[in-house]
Amino acid sequence: SQQGEEDPQALSIQEGENATMNCSYKTSINNLQWYRQNSGRGLVHLILIRSNEREKHSGRLRVTLDTSKKSSSLLITASRAADTASYFCATETGGGNKLTFGTGTQLKVEL
Amino acid sequence: DTEVTQTPKHLVMGMTNKKSLKCEQHMGHRAMYWYKQKAKKPPELMFVYSYEKLSINESVPSRFSPECPNSSLLNLHLHALQPEDSALYLCASSPLRFRGTGELFFGEGSRLTVL
Repeated sequence: SQQGEEDPQALSIQEGENATMNCSYKTSINNLQWYRQNSGRGLVHLILIRSNEREKHSGRLRVTLDTSKKSSSLLITASRAADTASYFCATETGGGNKLTFGTGTQLKVEL
Repeated sequence: DTEVTQTPKHLVMGMTNKKSLKCEQHMGHRAMYWYKQKAKKPPELMFVYSYEKLSINESVPSRFSPECPNSSLLNLHLHALQPEDSALYLCASSPLRFRGTGELFFGEGSRLTVL
């Protein structure tokens, strides 16, 4: 069963603009992670934020976590065509190394 | 070496065939995973191995049989599959941490087509 719902399902922006994706989840978590997947390829880990953290940065990525609202957002600043991909949030719950992926956002960055 | 290697990249099999998917990592990770992904859907967890022992089975049909022969290898044995089992099968590994899993390292996947 899916833990995370992402919105929007699809997002199309121009190069240089910022992209924001949101993730909502249902149960309490140990941590929340974001992954990127280029079409038909494997997933690449972007960033991990623990349940006791509120914000994290990595290069052009900024992730926020609001555990009271059970939601997270991923901001990609100054987007590039190479950022075109699907982005998934993933939540870890319990103690059994179980990582459950959200529905994903398809981002298209146009030149 | 930060790679997870999956073979084969593509596999076509009939419903009566027996085949295997293989996954290998040399990062010293002690947790390994199989995920199944259908087109335009998120990856769905199938199995988790921790210290070479099966720790999670997400009620996967017995026609999928995982095996972890050692800490670097993970296999998925396939038998009597159905056309609806056609999907991208992703292997991943992660270090085992005291407080939950860290990032997962994914292979490029094996694209399976069942005729």
